[in-house]
Amino acid sequence: EAQVTQNPRYLITVTGKKLTVTCSQNMNHEYMSWYRQDPGLGLRQIYYSMNVEVTDKGDVPEGYKVSRKEKRNFPLILESPSPNQTSLYFCASSLSPSPYNEQFFGPGTRLTVL
Amino acid sequence: AQSVSQHNHHVILSEAASLELGCNYSYGGTVNLFWYVQYPGQHLQLLLKYFSGDPLVKGIKGFEAEFIKSKFSFNLRKPSVQWSDTAEYFCAVNALEAAGNKLTFGGGTRVLVKP
Repeated sequence: EAQVTQNPRYLITVTGKKLTVTCSQNMNHEYMSWYRQDPGLGLRQIYYSMNVEVTDKGDVPEGYKVSRKEKRNFPLILESPSPNQTSLYFCASSLSPSPYNEQFFGPGTRLTVL
Repeated sequence: AQSVSQHNHHVILSEAASLELGCNYSYGGTVNLFWYVQYPGQHLQLLLKYFSGDPLVKGIKGFEAEFIKSKFSFNLRKPSVQWSDTAEYFCAVNALEAAGNKLTFGGGTRVLVKP
């Protein structure tokens, strides 16, 4: 089944403890991105990747890192999480960076930083 | 930069009622327009999209949307809702001149359909 998977689905952590949220897609998509969803703000893009080893900042990149060493994986790294990073995170992928390609979303990761 | 506004944050209606959700965007260039739905506890799913051509587009589950270029609007409609339409709905745009396939989302509208 074609899908985007994320792990973990739920995570409670403490301020300053490094964490990684994994994202993987099995559709051979070139383009991947991370969004965070906050009430009343919709989804905002954190980082995106046009292809392997090509990443760039989205609208809210502060406090996050990403890497794209393989085409299928696009992990989101929080080196020193803070409470304002408590949010619902979605990974998405599309066939290419073209704006005409549908984006497919993962199931979401709910992160709480205490 | 583009922005998207959804004017209704919460909508409550009864089954069989008609639904219309407003969406306006701000951007001077050409955009693609989308409506996504998020059912409770689930990921976003594409309801419908507009790229060009007929400004009235039909999507899944009986939804349709109309693009009015002069008003920068892309309102979502459904003539008769069901309880299963309870969800959060997001309008989104991507600008053709922007890098990558970045979607800019509105704040979402929570719809509750009472049985």
